[in-house]
Amino acid sequence: GDSVTQMEGPVTLSEEAFLTINCTYTATGYPSLFWYVQYPGEGLQLLLKATKADDKGSNKGFEATYRKETTSFHLEKGSVQVSDSAVYFCALREGGSNYKLTFGKGTLLTVNP
Amino acid sequence: DSGVTQTPKHLITATGQRVTLRCSPRSGDLSVYWYQQSLDQGLQFLIQYYNGEERAKGNILERFSAQQFPDLHSELNLSSLELGDSALYFCASSVGVEGNTEAFFGQGTRLTVV
Repeated sequence: GDSVTQMEGPVTLSEEAFLTINCTYTATGYPSLFWYVQYPGEGLQLLLKATKADDKGSNKGFEATYRKETTSFHLEKGSVQVSDSAVYFCALREGGSNYKLTFGKGTLLTVNP
Repeated sequence: DSGVTQTPKHLITATGQRVTLRCSPRSGDLSVYWYQQSLDQGLQFLIQYYNGEERAKGNILERFSAQQFPDLHSELNLSSLELGDSALYFCASSVGVEGNTEAFFGQGTRLTVV
């Protein structure tokens, strides 16, 4: 079945540092890929998405590129801020009749001033 | 604010009891999803409804059931509760069912079984 593997946390960075959170996936078809963010005490919010190979999703300075050849969708940001501290989830969703989102276990990011 | 409303926000109940969690989707969204988030299992898909009909089922226990009503709100019923059912339960909604459709999540209901 479908699965998502993302790097275990926690990740602790200083403000303005470069961020990479690795995500790889296993899927039978051609999934859409997502990054969701969960701030403390809140629900999940969509951060960015990519729906086909080589697409780049971007939002709020975060980027991720859909790499079919390596089945990866790594999240990057050039300069993190304290306000980026949250849990980040990589997820995939198959097309067709399979509607569910399959999530990775989440990576806790803490950014210190 | 995602537009998805879940009630109650917190629920504490005893083992063996039954509870009902409620979800109101975003206006215009026909699809509702339920997820369970626990420390050991992460985010697990439970079940999905589209316009009142069940469309997909995940790792949902037989003690759990859900439905979507004509006004599109959904309820998740958990019965014969066990300590291990303590978790954060999320509802999400989306307009349609295509693979690239964005799902919007509510803030969750934190269930504690004592």
